[in-house]
Amino acid sequence: DADVTQTPRNRITKTGKRIMLECSQTKGHDRMYWYRQDPGLGLRLIYYSFDVKDINKGEISDGYSVSRQAQAKFSLSLESAIPNQTALYFCATSDSPPIGGELFFGEGSRLTVL
Amino acid sequence: GESVGLHLPTLSVQEGDNSIINCAYSNSASDYFIWYKQESGKGPQFIIDIRSNMDKRQGQRVTVLLNKTVKHLSLQIAATQPGDSAVYFCAENPFNDYKLSFGAGTTVTVRA
Repeated sequence: DADVTQTPRNRITKTGKRIMLECSQTKGHDRMYWYRQDPGLGLRLIYYSFDVKDINKGEISDGYSVSRQAQAKFSLSLESAIPNQTALYFCATSDSPPIGGELFFGEGSRLTVL
Repeated sequence: GESVGLHLPTLSVQEGDNSIINCAYSNSASDYFIWYKQESGKGPQFIIDIRSNMDKRQGQRVTVLLNKTVKHLSLQIAATQPGDSAVYFCAENPFNDYKLSFGAGTTVTVRA
């Protein structure tokens, strides 16, 4: 089983719908992150959480919200999806402080907003 | 704009040749750099890292070089294999808090 699991792996939705992407991890890490990947733009940080009671905005948080339900779970929500949120979304975890700075990524959730 | 970027978006390499993937960064305060490999349909995976107090670090078939004078980072892959075909990202730690800033990535294609 994967250490960082994302669900769903693929989702097609319509403009205005609410979408939740879920992430769970078995690595025991305190730190969790949500990144967005677009072609030619690399990975951009949406939100991050350094522990259960800590939530922080990243560089592109507008239009997104998150919830850290437990140490092992971190979900990303799009309250009203729009087409330019079509992207590949990655959840990641790291040690606190990260040993060597390494992030451990899930396999991604591909979201298409029509 | 991005503080980390790659010189070329694509690189085609003959199997068995050495690959060199380049990355420029703009934040001279960054003290830590990582290379990630992303295979098709998967999340990025750690390859190798380097701290700013070093200029070279070697792993298995990979070497990372850091030139702080010109703020340049490179990843060298020796004897490139078909399994090395992937997108390679460099990332830096610009604020010393381990929120990594990623470059746009270089797609490496290995020719048989």
